[in-house]
Amino acid sequence: GAGVSQSPSNKVTEKGKDVELRCDPISGHTALYWYRQSLGQGLEFLIYFQGNSAPDKSGLPSDRFSAERTGGSVSTLTIQRTQQEDSAVYLCASSWAAAGGSYNEQFFGPGTRLTVL
Amino acid sequence: GNSVTQMEGPVTLSEEAFLTINCTYTATGYPSLFWYVQYPGEGLQLLLKATKADDKGSNKGFEATYRKETTSFHLEKGSVQVSDSAVYFCALDGRGAQKLVFGQGTRLTINP
Repeated sequence: GAGVSQSPSNKVTEKGKDVELRCDPISGHTALYWYRQSLGQGLEFLIYFQGNSAPDKSGLPSDRFSAERTGGSVSTLTIQRTQQEDSAVYLCASSWAAAGGSYNEQFFGPGTRLTVL
Repeated sequence: GNSVTQMEGPVTLSEEAFLTINCTYTATGYPSLFWYVQYPGEGLQLLLKATKADDKGSNKGFEATYRKETTSFHLEKGSVQVSDSAVYFCALDGRGAQKLVFGQGTRLTINP
């Protein structure tokens, strides 16, 4: 079956504009994660969904960042009023039901490279 | 909080050399430990994992042993190949945390 897909693969935007990044998880995976990979900060966790709810959004860097997930499948990460420091590769991952105290392998998408000019 | 510290790169080796990439961690409780690999132009892939102390994860000739006493999970391979050139990330998953905490990554280049 298909893996995790993300779109667009590349996005160039101007400072101050809003952007939406999309993630399609592997079919049947109930857990979905967003991470950010940047030169200065490495790979950072942003937010985690279990179904349509987000029990952990502790990694979102500011209130300009938001994410939603509908139908327990597709997720959208929205960055409002983009800044140059938002430039990074945004990675999405999905896994089977995430249960406390156990680990289910996270499968990563290819990422969206965001460049803010 | 949980954290992972990885050997800084880049690392350049000749084919058939022995590889070690050091990884140490700080965590409460008993995390699961992982090595992820990112080949050029591709997404992150799980390379190997260990879920409890003294477990050894292995895959594609790579090995890493979960050492609780030294809080380490060093990646080793006895004879590297050009195709092993990639960025390697050490990571942990705190029990119930449902998120991965990554090290800063080590870029490995193998020359023929």
